[in-house]
Amino acid sequence: LAKTTQPISMDSYEGQEVNITCSHNNIATNDYITWYQQFPSQGPRFIIQGYKTKVTNEVASLFIPADRKSSTLSLPRVSLSDTAVYYCLVGSLTGHSGAGSYQLTFGKGTKLSVIP
Amino acid sequence: EAQVTQNPRYLITVTGKKLTVTCSQNMNHEYMSWYRQDPGLGLRQIYYSMNVEVTDKGDVPEGYKVSRKEKRNFPLILESPSPNQTSLYFCASTWTSGRVSTGELFFGEGSRLTVL
Repeated sequence: LAKTTQPISMDSYEGQEVNITCSHNNIATNDYITWYQQFPSQGPRFIIQGYKTKVTNEVASLFIPADRKSSTLSLPRVSLSDTAVYYCLVGSLTGHSGAGSYQLTFGKGTKLSVIP
Repeated sequence: EAQVTQNPRYLITVTGKKLTVTCSQNMNHEYMSWYRQDPGLGLRQIYYSMNVEVTDKGDVPEGYKVSRKEKRNFPLILESPSPNQTSLYFCASTWTSGRVSTGELFFGEGSRLTVL
């Protein structure tokens, strides 16, 4: 199972671009990289997912180098409402048994604080 | 509205008194999972289910049971709760048919359990 390592916390001023990096040295060939956002007392919410290179949607970009041993979530021009915990998740549905079961392990997350 | 519903949202109980936390999803998802969240430890997977009657252990299954008799429901059972099971619990689901990527996990709002 691919274990992930993220910084525990980050601070940023409003309007700045924030980059959060996740390390996943033992990522498997079939694994995808997914990022989630969690506000206090709420369930995590999907932000973006990628397999390699760069993926962009309306809220974030995800950069994945060729060796896929790390990934970077980029949040452009953050606002106070982006203050949350961000989780990197690495996994796939190919699993480790004939039934296609799979285990999805989240890291400890990065607490992002946006300062006015 | 597509959602994952957990009940109860809050519960205070005593050591040894069996309890069940229910989880229901209305999206016809094959995959369902339970996580617990504790300060500084992030989200840890307890059990998951690939489909009806197919369940498997996650990272921290000790002291918990699950069942998947219907596709929409995935209850978490604490046969004899102990204080170290005091935590915030999340249920999640996603569809898996014909797919390799994990896609988007949909989370419930969480169930805060206190065991005295």
